[in-house]
This record gives sequence, structure tokens and C-alpha cells, in this order.
Amino acid sequence: GEQVEQRPPHLSVREGDSAFITCTYTDPNSYYFFWYKQEPGASLQLLMKVFSSTEINEGQGFTVLLNKKDKRLSLNLTAAHPGDSAAYFCAVSSTSSGQKLVFGQGTILKVYL
Amino acid sequence: AQTIHQWPVAEIKAVGSPLSLGCTIKGKSSPNLYWYWQATGGTLQQLFYSITVGQVESVVQLNLSASRPKDDQFILSTEKLLLSHSGFYLCAWSLDWGGVQNTLYFGAGTRLSVL
Repeated sequence: GEQVEQRPPHLSVREGDSAFITCTYTDPNSYYFFWYKQEPGASLQLLMKVFSSTEINEGQGFTVLLNKKDKRLSLNLTAAHPGDSAAYFCAVSSTSSGQKLVFGQGTILKVYL
Repeated sequence: AQTIHQWPVAEIKAVGSPLSLGCTIKGKSSPNLYWYWQATGGTLQQLFYSITVGQVESVVQLNLSASRPKDDQFILSTEKLLLSHSGFYLCAWSLDWGGVQNTLYFGAGTRLSVL
């Protein structure tokens, strides 16, 4: 079945710098991709859902890139600020996972002043 | 608008004691419902899912059970807690199973400590 590898597990960046998180997946028939943000002690909040047809997706203060050839999904937080400090999870849905969302291991991001 | 409510917010329980966690969805009929478990600092593990009342599928065996007694309610329970059950339990719903709208929306979660 689908396997998702997320890197790095921990990331510290200065305020104003970029933060880059990557997930690689194994099933070439993966169609739906998601990024979730989890603030400390809180639940998961959907940041963006991405469909396989779109390679570049812009959000508020971040960009999601999908490289289907390399089976890689990336989240780039541009000009990070302390409010971005949280855990970030990617998730992938594919036929081999039985339509189940397979989550990455998570990245804990800290943005310092 | 859809709302998802989980209860309780937190529980501290003894090993061997029973547990019941609940989840209610309002504003959406016949949602797909899910239970996820997250160990402290860990990723999310899907435990159960349900696409209709009375039908629950188990994804992993963790000495837990789930039931869907009503269209808008999902219950997670066990008769005997283990230390390994500690963690964060999240209920989620989605519009469609396997379709384009297969986006999960999560509740606030229940933090469980087993001592």
C-alpha cells in the first residue's frame, strides 16, 4: 500500500525566512494530496488540498508544489512568522490505500524571532 | 455549516478501566466518519471508519471498538484500557468515500492519559 515519508521531523527557522517541508509517496496512482496544520494541543486544520492535475498551488503565505514524476509533495512557507509554529502533516489518498488518507510522520516547525 | 463536537475534552483513566469517547456531527447528513489516534509527538493512525449507521470497519486492532448508533454519532470504546491507549483521539468526517471530496475535517480531539 501507499507509504508516505515526510522530512524533516523538526525544523527551526528565523522569522521572515522560508520553511520547506517535503513528503515523498510511493503509489504513482495517488490523486489527492493534503496539508494539515496542528497547533500545540489542538486539532488538525486543513491548509490546502491539491489535486493531481495542479503542480503549483498558492495559499496565504505558502506554496504547495506537486512533482508527480518524482512523487514528491512540498510545502513552502514563505516569510515564516511565529504564528506558523506548529506541526505540519501531509496526507495522500490513493487507490492502493483503499481511499484511506495516509499521513506523513509530521514536521514540528518553530519560528523564532 | 457543519460542526463536529467531541467529548470529553480530556480524560485521565486507570489501566483496566473502561472508556467511552464520543463524536457528533451536525449540519451534514450521512457523513463518512473516522476515528484517528495520535501518540504524543507522533503521526496519525486511522482506527475505524463508518460510511453509514450501524456499519463500522476496523483498520487496526488496538483493543478498541467503535459504533455508530445514529447517523450523526460515532463512539469509541473499550472495556479495559491499556497504558498504550494514551494519546490524542480525533474524530473526523468527510463528504465522500474515495471521491474528489475526500477531505477530512477534524474535531477538537480528546486527550487521554492512562495511568
